[in-house]
Amino acid sequence: DIVMTQSPDSLAVSLGERATINCKSSQSVLYTSNNKNYLAWYQQKPGQPPKLLIYWASNRESGVPDRFSGSGSGADFTLTISSLQAEDVAVYYCQQYYSSPLTFGGGTKVEIK
Amino acid sequence: EVQLVESGGGLVKPGGSLRLSCAASGFTFSTYSMNWVRQAPGKGLEWVSSISSSSTYIYYADSVKGRFTISRDNAKNSLYLQMNSLRAEDTAVYYCARYYYDSSGYYYDFFQHWGLGTLVTVSS
Repeated sequence: DIVMTQSPDSLAVSLGERATINCKSSQSVLYTSNNKNYLAWYQQKPGQPPKLLIYWASNRESGVPDRFSGSGSGADFTLTISSLQAEDVAVYYCQQYYSSPLTFGGGTKVEIK
Repeated sequence: EVQLVESGGGLVKPGGSLRLSCAASGFTFSTYSMNWVRQAPGKGLEWVSSISSSSTYIYYADSVKGRFTISRDNAKNSLYLQMNSLRAEDTAVYYCARYYYDSSGYYYDFFQHWGLGTLVTVSS
């Protein structure tokens, strides 16, 4: 199984500042045949189901604000919130879909400083 | 609008059984693969099981293999999860989730739509 490791476990960022979340996979999730990284990011607010933010490591889902961006390739990935808003307080998860079983990172909790 | 509504959760004793349901609407259910994903209280997400549109392909996480059975009824637009031999570690919110489908009808194994979930508590 591919193990997904997120860091940090939590972070507190001031409103308007940048938040950066890291995700490492135990093996590459880059499919060389199509040059795509099989990596997605989700946002989960308290009492709600996860919401898809990013797929293919850097494609923003429809309706997701452009302050959210994904980057990285191979086994190292980053989710960046360029200017943190109050409504961004949530837990963020990465997920690999390169191979079965589908696996998620442990989550990163983002709070306001 | 895609809607997924889970039901059937509750309190069950260790070794007991429970059947979860997911009612789907807003899309042609019979043409989409579906999944169950769970989340233990205060913990992360764990994929549990998936089933293809015509039930041809079924997959389970090792943690539930042999105890859980996924099924669907396309005539009723419904997805099910039969859970037997339940353990304390199966305590979680169980989400019904649909894969992402692109405009060509091809799907990828990440989750675009989620239900609100149903809580299963296994305790004596």
